[in-house]
Amino acid sequence: DTGVSQDPRHKITKRGQNVTFRCDPISEHNRLYWYRQTLGQGPEFLTYFQNEAQLEKSRLLSDRFSAERPKGSFSTLEIQRTEQGDSAMYLCASSSGLGKETQYFGPGTRLLVL
Amino acid sequence: AQSVTQLDSQVPVFEEAPVELRCNYSSSVSVYLFWYVQYPNQGLQLLLKYLSGSTLVESINGFEAEFNKSQTSFHLRKPSVHISDTAEYFCAVSDRPGGGNKLTFGTGTQLKVEL
Repeated sequence: DTGVSQDPRHKITKRGQNVTFRCDPISEHNRLYWYRQTLGQGPEFLTYFQNEAQLEKSRLLSDRFSAERPKGSFSTLEIQRTEQGDSAMYLCASSSGLGKETQYFGPGTRLLVL
Repeated sequence: AQSVTQLDSQVPVFEEAPVELRCNYSSSVSVYLFWYVQYPNQGLQLLLKYLSGSTLVESINGFEAEFNKSQTSFHLRKPSVHISDTAEYFCAVSDRPGGGNKLTFGTGTQLKVEL
């Protein structure tokens, strides 16, 4: 049984560069979520997918952020023109979408923007 | 809008002592409540959840939490902690069972168990 996986686990980039993160949910989970966690804070919701449809986006998700889930399986989160304030842990979670389901989290991708 | 308050950012406790981690929430609709634990360098793991039914819920490793609607609280307790319980604990709320479309988290409580 494989859980939620995320790649890469760590990313260091220079301000202004683009970065892309990948999340592979638990097999057959049709809901996928992205959260962001900064130091000393709890995770904050960014966006969520039901299959390939992006159903909700937080105001935290600026125009520089884009998320996709093209075939309803894995998802990517891209940040364009990164800023130092984007430094955070980016968490992915998935759930079965059958009601009363639990969100299972991946290990996260830690981003540092220099 | 929902919100979660975890008043204690750090709780130091000696091994085998009891502990309570406090969580208060605000919501204008029915709520579903969760405690997640995050061990160092690991992802969030669900510890326990309240969806409906009995207001007292338990985890497999001895933690319990009680949903108190009148006090809008969902405090986490353990009668005797172990060194391995050292971790960060997050309380979360959702207006949908199982988290639905999103979870709203508190800022976390760092539990440090000392010998």
